[in-house]
Amino acid sequence: GQQVQQSPASLVLQEGENAELQCNFSSTATRLQWFYQHPGGRLVSLFYNPSGTKHTGRLTSTTVTNERRSSLHISSSQTTDSGTYFCAIDTGYQNFYFGKGTSLTVIP
Amino acid sequence: NAGVIQTPRHKVTGKGQEATLWCEPISGHSAVFWYRQTIVQGLEFLTYFRNQAPIDDSGMPKERFSAQMPNQSHSTLKIQSTQPQDSAVYLCASSLDSRNTLYFGAGTRLSVL
Repeated sequence: GQQVQQSPASLVLQEGENAELQCNFSSTATRLQWFYQHPGGRLVSLFYNPSGTKHTGRLTSTTVTNERRSSLHISSSQTTDSGTYFCAIDTGYQNFYFGKGTSLTVIP
Repeated sequence: NAGVIQTPRHKVTGKGQEATLWCEPISGHSAVFWYRQTIVQGLEFLTYFRNQAPIDDSGMPKERFSAQMPNQSHSTLKIQSTQPQDSAVYLCASSLDSRNTLYFGAGTRLSVL
């Protein structure tokens, strides 16, 4: 099966600190997407980023396709960033496979 | 654009009963996906339609689960003879086509007692 590994599994930050979330995958990804889920909430797309670097606000996603990895950087974390971040890849079969997620808690 | 709409938001069934979950994809989106989310298993792919045709149902438990997309505006996931292990949040997602961003609905939380 497809392997999408996310690290760390959980992370606790003081407000204002930066976070780096990692996603490694075992097959070449034709599509890669980062999602955010607030507890009890819906999955919200953060980035569609199969390659290269993308920015939005305090978030940066960098995908190195030939190294089969992607990262999500959160700068100056806020309590509202708390939740679970998922990485998902499509290896060409047109459906996405998800990692187990990184649970982020930001303490005021 | 109301996004992907799933109904009901919560469903409680007794063991052995049938459950039907509904999904209305974003208008104009040709690809519709069903996933299941649990604490233990995480997000599991179930099935996928493109232009209403079933493309991949490799994630579907074969015996009791079925999915249909009778028209471009809705898809259903039916679980017959529900079991406690079917308890999960069932998520529907759509995308413009099979090469674009996924948009998820809020999910249906199924509880089998």
